[in-house]
Amino acid sequence: GQQVMQIPQYQHVQEGEDFTTYCNSSTTLSNIQWYKQRPGGHPVFLIQLVKSGEVKKQKRLTFQFGEAKKNSSLHITATQTTDVGTYFCANHGSGNTGKLIFGQGTTLQVKP
Amino acid sequence: DAGITQSPRHKVTETGTPVTLRCHQTENHRYMYWYRQDPGHGLRLIHYSYGVKDTDKGEVSDGYSVSRSKTEDFLLTLESATSSQTSVYFCAISLGPLNTEAFFGQGTRLTVV
Repeated sequence: GQQVMQIPQYQHVQEGEDFTTYCNSSTTLSNIQWYKQRPGGHPVFLIQLVKSGEVKKQKRLTFQFGEAKKNSSLHITATQTTDVGTYFCANHGSGNTGKLIFGQGTTLQVKP
Repeated sequence: DAGITQSPRHKVTETGTPVTLRCHQTENHRYMYWYRQDPGHGLRLIHYSYGVKDTDKGEVSDGYSVSRSKTEDFLLTLESATSSQTSVYFCAISLGPLNTEAFFGQGTRLTVV
């Protein structure tokens, strides 16, 4: 399957600061999905990007898919304590098999 | 939340014993997945299913088997549990093979002592 590397593994920010997590692949990705997992919870789907260079926004969250479809980023503007959790990128492998592979995740801590 | 139920939610078992985790869905989604979550490793795919009796291996399938005899149930079996299989296990479902979101169950915390 297609491997996606996610960085950083952990990030501590002061409330109000911005935060970015990156997802990188050595091969072209069919799509990229982003999920959020609150502490003690289960992953919840946030968004999907499919097109080269695609940018989508959800309030303070901005998602980008690279022009070469090999990388993606999630940027949070002016973090809040409610943003705490682990953010995962995920990708459906090639071949239309349905296999869904996740990155290692970035855990965000926000200090009030 | 999507209709996904994992059972049991918590289990402690001894090394060498067989363990079966159950994932039950009421959404009639074709695709079902088993992941394990460990610190520093994120979510790793164990096995997945693309239909009744149709399953395939994921990234970390050694020591695990699965079965799907009905659309709604996907079972994960540890034939002989080892301490390295102590983890949180998540089941997920998806409507299609591509460009469809996955819905996750609440997770099962398994401890092998």
